[in-house]
Amino acid sequence: NAGVTQTPKFQVLKTGQSMTLQCAQDMNHEYMSWYRQDPGMGLRLIHYSVGAGITDQGEVPNGYNVSRSTTEDFPLRLLSAAPSQTSVYFCASSRGDSKNTIYFGEGSWLTVV
Amino acid sequence: GQQLNQSPQSMFIQEGEDVSMNCTSSSIFNTWLWYKQEPGEGPVLLIALYKAGELTSNGRLTAQFGITRKDSFLNISASIPSDVGIYFCAGLENSGGSNYKLTFGKGTLLTVNP
Repeated sequence: NAGVTQTPKFQVLKTGQSMTLQCAQDMNHEYMSWYRQDPGMGLRLIHYSVGAGITDQGEVPNGYNVSRSTTEDFPLRLLSAAPSQTSVYFCASSRGDSKNTIYFGEGSWLTVV
Repeated sequence: GQQLNQSPQSMFIQEGEDVSMNCTSSSIFNTWLWYKQEPGEGPVLLIALYKAGELTSNGRLTAQFGITRKDSFLNISASIPSDVGIYFCAGLENSGGSNYKLTFGKGTLLTVNP
């Protein structure tokens, strides 16, 4: 998983708190995305970005915000954490063309109590 | 949205056996990717397939991009205990212009009994 760095690795939040999951890549990739992984649901796309200044919603965007001020960074913000947002979150990056290889970070384990 | 069906959901096999899993989609993909995820880690790319009919190997792993571009399979030969993990297929489609959308299957949990 070299090249995509996620922090924090583990986090416990109280309901209603806000926090930001950080993601950074050093491969100069245009494409970055956030997924959440839940048992039996596979990987579901939350938000993605095709380049600095451009973001779009994925399959499950509610309760999350993103921004892409630089090519390297793509933070995911939880505005008011809910227990339903307890999950493992993965950031991914790729070149964004038809032969791209998508690299994943090592994941952020979030528990909302 | 795009639907990806991955099967089987789980497999429990003996060491040395061969394994086969597959994914089918409701429409066409430009690229098929196969990932493995071990506990506590992110998915790691195993094989990438870029054109219909392509057959690619990576050690004991072989994957094929279906002729119809709507399916792909992954085979693992002579399984070993370290093959344990969740295997995901993913399809990449051009969602317009230079935008590409990645869709994941729900994964196949592989357990290998020594």
